[in-house]
Amino acid sequence: AQSVAQPEDQVNVAEGNPLTVKCTYSVSGNPYLFWYVQYPNRGLQFLLKYITGDNLVKGSYGFEAEFNKSQTSFHLKKPSALVSDSALYFCAVRPMNSGYSTLTFGKGTMLLVSP
Amino acid sequence: GAGVSQSPRYKVAKRGQDVALRCDPISGHVSLFWYQQALGQGPEFLTYFQNEAQLDKSGLPSDRFFAERPEGSVSTLKIQRTQQEDSAVYLCASSGTGDETQYFGPGTRLLVL
Repeated sequence: AQSVAQPEDQVNVAEGNPLTVKCTYSVSGNPYLFWYVQYPNRGLQFLLKYITGDNLVKGSYGFEAEFNKSQTSFHLKKPSALVSDSALYFCAVRPMNSGYSTLTFGKGTMLLVSP
Repeated sequence: GAGVSQSPRYKVAKRGQDVALRCDPISGHVSLFWYQQALGQGPEFLTYFQNEAQLDKSGLPSDRFFAERPEGSVSTLKIQRTQQEDSAVYLCASSGTGDETQYFGPGTRLLVL
């Protein structure tokens, strides 16, 4: 069975500073990895995904994530945080060789960007 | 609309009532998923449809939960004899053929009193 760990319940960063939201995973075989963002009273909004190829994946709103197979990690990063980035972020995984794409999510990390 | 829509957005039910939650996926999307998101947790898989076929219902927590997608488009998640532990946000997602990305609706927040 696959699992996702987001070790930080909350990340605090000042506007303009770089941010990192951590994610590690466990899956049988190669993974597909995803980041989603959730604003209050909204559904999950897709940010980016790693399927194959370049380990550095670029997504929406200036976010990027780096796939590290040896460390089984897929940390979300942004060079310069905005107050509007404050939200709940979820990492998700599914095995590449599964027949359909049921996702396993982490518990989420609240990102708070202060002005 | 271009995205996944869900209705109602909020539902308050008395314990023991039956509820029905609706999901309209993105037009043409073959795959449809239901997830349950408890407060402070990530979404957890409930069930999966490919067109009208329910291929996986392993995540449904009890036989009080039932889902259908009779024409391969709109889906309904029904919860019978609701219990307080059913209080959660119910999320629907859809994906197209060959696309690994799931696109989520805004969710239905269910509160059982």
